[in-house]
Amino acid sequence: GESVGLHLPTLSVQEGDNSIINCAYSNSASDYFIWYKQESGKGPQFIIDIRSNMDKRQGQRVTVLLNKTVKHLSLQIAATQPGDSAVYFCAENIIPGANNLFFGTGTRLTVIP
Amino acid sequence: ETGVTQTPRHLVMGMTNKKSLKCEQHLGHNAMYWYKQSAKKPLELMFVYSLEERVENNSVPSRFSPECPNSSHLFLHLHTLQPEDSALYLCASSQGGGASYNSPLHFGNGTRLTVT
Repeated sequence: GESVGLHLPTLSVQEGDNSIINCAYSNSASDYFIWYKQESGKGPQFIIDIRSNMDKRQGQRVTVLLNKTVKHLSLQIAATQPGDSAVYFCAENIIPGANNLFFGTGTRLTVIP
Repeated sequence: ETGVTQTPRHLVMGMTNKKSLKCEQHLGHNAMYWYKQSAKKPLELMFVYSLEERVENNSVPSRFSPECPNSSHLFLHLHTLQPEDSALYLCASSQGGGASYNSPLHFGNGTRLTVT
């Protein structure tokens, strides 16, 4: 089955609100996860990563949460800005020890000014 | 500037043409990748090179032929493509490592390929 489960939902948020983008994965052996942001006409841009021995990791305005019990990954964006409008992908490394990332289909985030 | 440069940005080619996509990374990485991005589909891994050796060929048709002459350059040679090969082709690089090392991929902005 699909190992990274973003089914192309869309999310619209008001500027200044917090955003939460969710991702389900099915391979319990995956040991590394990454969130990417892709703007129109550009390649995916690295946002934040997390290894499977962690539950939470924070960056600048972003937090990634990993729940291995239910195989769920989320990206939280604080104080969402218009520049955050993009498609967000989660990716998982399904072959521990290798660096082969498999991606979901993405979630489109639209920030309403 | 992403640190990974792809040329050309756009390419239109006929099914009998031969063309090449070029990728150059300026990040000092030792692994490079080709991904295909089609509408409404996840990114598909095509090829992986680590230390200039191909370590992954993800069941890609032979009409796609990669070449990695050194750790900074990666090519994708195209010949007799089909219209369904039209997509965004993304190059990425990473700092590969040992058995338990993971690092994020850094992507270029892609080549938008249209096969007519």
